[in-house]
Amino acid sequence: ETGVTQSPTHLIKTRGQQVTLRCSSQSGHNTVSWYQQALGQGPQFIFQYYREEENGRGNFPPRFSGLQFPNYSSELNVNALELDDSALYLCASSLDTGLNSPLHFGNGTRLTVT
Amino acid sequence: AQSVTQLGSHVSVSEGALVLLRCNYSSSVPPYLFWYVQYPNQGLQLLLKYTSAATLVKGINGFEAEFKKSETSFHLTKPSAHMSDAAEYFCAVSDGATDSWGKLQFGAGTQVVVTP
Repeated sequence: ETGVTQSPTHLIKTRGQQVTLRCSSQSGHNTVSWYQQALGQGPQFIFQYYREEENGRGNFPPRFSGLQFPNYSSELNVNALELDDSALYLCASSLDTGLNSPLHFGNGTRLTVT
Repeated sequence: AQSVTQLGSHVSVSEGALVLLRCNYSSSVPPYLFWYVQYPNQGLQLLLKYTSAATLVKGINGFEAEFKKSETSFHLTKPSAHMSDAAEYFCAVSDGATDSWGKLQFGAGTQVVVTP
């Protein structure tokens, strides 16, 4: 089975621009969670999607938005980029939202905002 | 709200020595606790989890952790460090709600260096 894949692996954007990050879930997984990991910090929960609906959101502004598609792949969109948005963005998929569904993480997208 | 605090951002251990990584949690409800490992340029891999069953939890790669409610701790140990254990380790907490599995609060991480 294929694991969680994220694209692109690296990205450089300018302050004020918009960016779209993509995540392909592990086969059969209907839940995707996105995390932001700033340098030297632990991952911070952005939001979760379950069967194409948002299912919880962390403390991030509305310019962070997401989508989940019928095939359960997902996008993270960030508008009006700020320097502090520079981070590793991690996607994690799971079979469902239940407590016995382990998270499977991708290797992340490294976003640099200049 | 839940949170975790990892004591020590960097730990250096000799190969063959005990690895001890400290994690304390804060939670208003019975927590679910996790340890993850992150190798350079990779995502996170689950080492072990506590979900209110046995307080001593065994994970992969010889790691184990003990849940101590009285101390609000969930420290990670491994009796004998290997060079391959060099990585960053994260403690995380969930509030245990039925749909909270993917909504974890992570600590700041502990970087482990293993010396020959």
